[in-house]
Amino acid sequence: DQQVKQNSPSLSVQEGRISILNCDYTNSMFDYFLWYKKYPAEGPTFLISISSIKDKNEDGRFTVFLNKSAKHLSLHIVPSQPGDSAVYFCAATDSWGKLQFGAGTQVVVTP
Amino acid sequence: DSGVTQTPKHLITATGQRVTLRCSPRSGDLSVYWYQQSLDQGLQFLIQYYNGEERAKGNILERFSAQQFPDLHSELNLSSLELGDSALYFCASSARLGDEKLLFGSGTQLSVL
Repeated sequence: DQQVKQNSPSLSVQEGRISILNCDYTNSMFDYFLWYKKYPAEGPTFLISISSIKDKNEDGRFTVFLNKSAKHLSLHIVPSQPGDSAVYFCAATDSWGKLQFGAGTQVVVTP
Repeated sequence: DSGVTQTPKHLITATGQRVTLRCSPRSGDLSVYWYQQSLDQGLQFLIQYYNGEERAKGNILERFSAQQFPDLHSELNLSSLELGDSALYFCASSARLGDEKLLFGSGTQLSVL
């Protein structure tokens, strides 16, 4: 039962443009959401997070938006850079702390 | 160096065999998590330990078991291996309960032939 879904397996974007990654979840008990980034041959690394009491969190070029009523979150990367080429995982957790991940979106930033 | 050390990096074995994956968490971290990443499946939560005690269980098969030792390192044991167990197995750690900003190791790639 996949409670966190990333329906776009891949995304190609030009350098300097905006990358928008989407994530949907089904469990209304989720109250904390995170994005992780993964390069080949490495483990995922934490990127940015948002609590359910907020609808936006920004960190440099990365902004996460949360729409609780739609059970949807998105990650915006502006501007996209070649080093942003990686797999991005959306994750969510409830008060039990069991972090659930989506299947990931492969982002390719082209020159 | 990510702080979480997983060994071995690669493991090739045959169906029916048993293997042990090892994880040393970042120094000072009490919580250890195991995840499985199969093709197109994302990261599937297997099990979590906190200070030696099992804390949460996910989609872990009965053929799989894990433990966390007094020195806080953890081992994931996979037995009666099947072709479908081929995957990347990640260990992650965090300093305390409720800290979801996990620090991941680089994983063990298991190939069952």
